[in-house]
Amino acid sequence: DAGVTQSPTHLIKTRGQQVTLRCSPISGHKSVSWYQQVLGQGPQFIFQYYEKEERGRGNFPDRFSARQFPNYSSELNVNALLLGDSALYLCASSLAERNYGYTFGSGTRLTVV
Amino acid sequence: GENVEQHPSTLSVQEGDSAVIKCTYSDSASNYFPWYKQELGKRPQLIIDIRSNVGEKKDQRIAVTLNKTAKHFSLHITETQPEDSAVYFCAAREPNTGNQFYFGTGTSLTVIP
Repeated sequence: DAGVTQSPTHLIKTRGQQVTLRCSPISGHKSVSWYQQVLGQGPQFIFQYYEKEERGRGNFPDRFSARQFPNYSSELNVNALLLGDSALYLCASSLAERNYGYTFGSGTRLTVV
Repeated sequence: GENVEQHPSTLSVQEGDSAVIKCTYSDSASNYFPWYKQELGKRPQLIIDIRSNVGEKKDQRIAVTLNKTAKHFSLHITETQPEDSAVYFCAAREPNTGNQFYFGTGTSLTVIP
C-alpha cells in the first residue's frame, strides 16, 4: 500500500513565479494537510482539507492557496514567489478531520532564486 | 494560538546513555501530543504520542511523560543507539478544532558510538 506521495521532489523557481505542488494521500484517508518547514525549524501549518472543503488555514498570506479533488488528492499553489518561500513543503494525510498522528509525505523541496 | 517550546536544540550523548528532550505548551486545553523523528533529508515520522488522560506512555526504549499542571511533556530515549541520531520534534494539537499541530523547533540528537 502506497504511503503519502508528493511531487515534484525538488523544484527551483524564480522570484515572482508561481508554483503548484501535488499530494496523494494514503488510500482511504480523506484529510490532507499542508505544512511548510523552513530549514532548522519545525513544520508550520498552512492548510487542512477534509472531504474537499477547507477546514483550517494557518497564518500564511493569500498568495498561498490549495484545493482537494474528489479522489482526495490535493494541490498547493503559491503565487508571486518570494525568496522566503524557500522551504520543504510537507503534505500529511489522516483518516479523519480531527487528527491524531499524521503520516507525512517526503516533501517537495522548493528553492526560490 | 498554541505556543510550543522545545529544549535543548542540540543534544549529544554516548551510545547506551539516555536522552531527554523537553517541551512546554501554552494552551491548557491542549490534549494530544505527538513526537516525530526526522532523519536527514527524510520526512517526519511519528514515533510516540500521548493523550492528556494519561501521564506516561512507553514503547520499548522510548517513553513520553506529560505533566498537565505544569504544561510540559518530555521524550525519554534509553539505551541510545547510533540510529537514534536525528532531529526530534514535539507537537501539540490545536484543542478546539483538532485540525492542526503546533510544532516545536526541534532537537538535533547525536549518539556518539
